[in-house]
Amino acid sequence: DAGVIQSPRHEVTEMGQEVTLRCKPISGHNSLFWYRQTMMRGLELLIYFNNNVPIDDSGMPEDRFSAKMPNASFSTLKIQPSEPRDSAVYFCASSPGTIYGYTFGSGTRLTVV
Amino acid sequence: AQTVTQSQPEMSVQEAETVTLSCTYDTSESNYYLFWYKQPPSRQMILVIRQEAYKQQNATENRFSVNFQKAAKSFSLKISDSQLGDTAMYFCAFMKHAWGAQKLVFGQGTRLTINP
Repeated sequence: DAGVIQSPRHEVTEMGQEVTLRCKPISGHNSLFWYRQTMMRGLELLIYFNNNVPIDDSGMPEDRFSAKMPNASFSTLKIQPSEPRDSAVYFCASSPGTIYGYTFGSGTRLTVV
Repeated sequence: AQTVTQSQPEMSVQEAETVTLSCTYDTSESNYYLFWYKQPPSRQMILVIRQEAYKQQNATENRFSVNFQKAAKSFSLKISDSQLGDTAMYFCAFMKHAWGAQKLVFGQGTRLTINP
């Protein structure tokens, strides 16, 4: 299994631009999570899906952030418009069930200048 | 809401020594799971060990073991015979037991350095 696949690995964009981060979960995992990691705030859950349905998006910072999971093998996190304070590492993770914890992707480092 | 606290921002030990990382958590749940994740400089998050709260026996994975004290809400990680490759950030995490997807709540992390 290739694990959780995220793209791109690095993204540098200008303030005001739209940014789309992509994630392919492990086949057979029915839960998908988006986390953001910063030095100041640590690891924060943004949103998670169960069977492609969003369960909790209370961690999404504001309306500029949106996430979709159109099918079991793909999810996107979009920021529009991007701001410098969005600079962080964004992780996607998937899980087959609670007891197993998550498998994380290698993250996308986003820099907004 | 659950919270996880790691009181040691940084630790440093010599290779081959044993080191213990501390973690405490706060919850009103009776059944839950606890995890330790490792994040090396590559930034990949790697599951090190997991513990189910209903199990009294402490989990072990090779050189990694935990000391789970449910009443004290404490979950420390012991690394024996530490190796240079153990240098990483270590995160303690909590997940409540319930049907369906549940979120992981992370502590702030402990930066561990193994010196040669």
